[in-house]
Amino acid sequence: DAGVIQSPRHEVTEMGQEVTLRCKPISGHDYLFWYRQTMMRGLELLIYFNNNVPIDDSGMPEDRFSAKMPNASFSTLKIQPSEPRDSAVYFCASSRTVPTARPQHFGDGTRLSIL
Amino acid sequence: GNSVTQMEGPVTLSEEAFLTINCTYTATGYPSLFWYVQYPGEGLQLLLKATKADDKGSNKGFEATYRKETTSFHLEKGSVQVSDSAVYFCALINEGGSEKLVFGKGTKLTVNP
Repeated sequence: DAGVIQSPRHEVTEMGQEVTLRCKPISGHDYLFWYRQTMMRGLELLIYFNNNVPIDDSGMPEDRFSAKMPNASFSTLKIQPSEPRDSAVYFCASSRTVPTARPQHFGDGTRLSIL
Repeated sequence: GNSVTQMEGPVTLSEEAFLTINCTYTATGYPSLFWYVQYPGEGLQLLLKATKADDKGSNKGFEATYRKETTSFHLEKGSVQVSDSAVYFCALINEGGSEKLVFGKGTKLTVNP
């Protein structure tokens, strides 16, 4: 099976621009998670979906961030307008409903730099 | 609430040394426990897991035992290699609760030849 696929791998853009990060989860997985990783704050869960429906977005930092999952094989995380403090590595992960120990499978991340 | 505490490191060892990374947890329910590893420039990969008390997870020479009495899940390896250099994360998920994985802050391991 192909793993979780994220694009782009690297993004450098100027403050104020719109940024869109993309994720393709593993086929058959019904949960999708978006994380942000920084040196200062570590790994933070931003939002997660179940069967394409957002379940918990309490980690989304502010209204500039939005996430969608239009179908089971695609999700986007959008930042508009972007700010330098949004610079981080953004990970997407997916998992499948099983009775216990549902490991999340991570993509290789998008390294975002806002100048 | 649920939380994971792990030694923050960094940890520096020589090749073939014994490794222990401590992890303790607090959970309101019956958690499953995980160790993830992150190699430079990559995402997190599941290293091993355990679902109930006294379970031992093992993979690639690494082991961790789910100790309910001490609420611990320490990671061990008898002889580390340079290729084990990475950041290691302890995590839990509360069975029957939210799907959120609760992560520790990570421990950076460097193994020198």
